[in-house]
Amino acid sequence: EVQLVESGGGLVQPGGSLRLSCAASGFTVSSNYMSWVRQAPGKGLEWVSVIYSGGSTYYADSVKGRFTISRHNSKNTLYLQMNSLRAEDTAVYYCARDSSGAPVGYFDLWGRGTLVTVSS
Amino acid sequence: AIWMTQSPSLLSASTGDRVTISCRMSQGISSYLAWYQQKPGKAPELLIYAASTLQSGVPSRFSGSGSGTDFTLTISCLQSEDFATYYCQQYYSFPPTFGQGTKLEIK
Repeated sequence: EVQLVESGGGLVQPGGSLRLSCAASGFTVSSNYMSWVRQAPGKGLEWVSVIYSGGSTYYADSVKGRFTISRHNSKNTLYLQMNSLRAEDTAVYYCARDSSGAPVGYFDLWGRGTLVTVSS
Repeated sequence: AIWMTQSPSLLSASTGDRVTISCRMSQGISSYLAWYQQKPGKAPELLIYAASTLQSGVPSRFSGSGSGTDFTLTISCLQSEDFATYYCQQYYSFPPTFGQGTKLEIK
């Protein structure tokens, strides 16, 4: 079955760190463009970061310098290392696959999400 | 960044109705637009890409149209499972951005 399963969310204090994981099955992470998209409670969707099949990475201005996207090819897993967390980073974080093949695309496969809460 | 305005924010309708949701862009994006459906507590699901191409497995009562700055999502005959929140997303330029969402509720 083709799916994405996120893990690693939880409660963290402001200024803290957390690493999210997204395990893929049924397809190869390293052959696709993979993104993280987040959704604050009761709010809309916000794109966070992308890693291209070639390894290039890009970030939203709101997380640049604090978050790092990466992947482990043999584990077929995507990661998001989040440092210097702020209250406004509180959200459900989804990993998503972009199969469009274009530098900026749409997302045809999503995980169920993992909740990150930043609070003291 | 390209911004979009979705309207209405809230739409009340009944089963069997035909409804349309609008997405207006801050600049032209050709046909680089996607639509998603999201149900409470669930991840978004892709409905339409390239403004009018139906994703595999999506019922034919969903359709999309438009190009440039004005786009619409139409549901031709509402079913109970269609009551959800809908988002548009542009992928014409970096970064990809989403509309603020339209909640479709039962009248």
